[in-house]
Amino acid sequence: NAGVTQTPKFRILKIGQSMTLQCTQDMNHNYMYWYRQDPGMGLKLIYYSVGAGITDKGEVPNGYNVSRSTTEDFPLRLELAAPSQTSVYFCASSSHQRAAYNEQFFGPGTRLTVL
Amino acid sequence: QQQVKQSPQSLIVQKGGIPIINCAYENTAFDYFPWYQQFPGKGPALLIAIRPDVSEKKEGRFTISFNKSAKQFSLHIMDSQPGDSATYFCAASRTGGFKTIFGAGTRLFVKA
Repeated sequence: NAGVTQTPKFRILKIGQSMTLQCTQDMNHNYMYWYRQDPGMGLKLIYYSVGAGITDKGEVPNGYNVSRSTTEDFPLRLELAAPSQTSVYFCASSSHQRAAYNEQFFGPGTRLTVL
Repeated sequence: QQQVKQSPQSLIVQKGGIPIINCAYENTAFDYFPWYQQFPGKGPALLIAIRPDVSEKKEGRFTISFNKSAKQFSLHIMDSQPGDSATYFCAASRTGGFKTIFGAGTRLFVKA
């Protein structure tokens, strides 16, 4: 199993550009999450999904959108990129069967810089 | 109510020392308290976790101490090694919930 994969690894965007961060998991997990990590701020939840077709906002959803058309994929869309969106983005997944323990499996991250 | 407060922000210890990282929570509905370890350039990975029905859990050199009445829990790393240098996040969630609340992280450096 590859686990959780994310592409791209790095990206530089200009202000106002848009992009999609890709996330795929091959563990048949129902729950998927997008976090952003800023220095000294921990992991902030952007959006999450409890299954295909079901998404909900997390703590910091403004400026982002998600979709979940399959169990495996959970892309994160940035519209009109702003410097405040410069961050490292992590995708994670969790099994419904392990929901009581809620262990999350993280991807390697995407480092995004908006200039 | 939903916060998990973690301290210190950074920590430097000598090899063989016992770094201690502390966390406090507010929401008494939380019933699962994991610690994640993150190496530079990598995603976090689960290190050890505890449920509030026990006061201590050990896995190898890593120990979680849990104080339910004080709503605090801590990570101890026995005989720390340079390879333990990483960022550590405490977290909390509740059974049936979809979200995990993470602390701000502690950057640990173990000197050789």
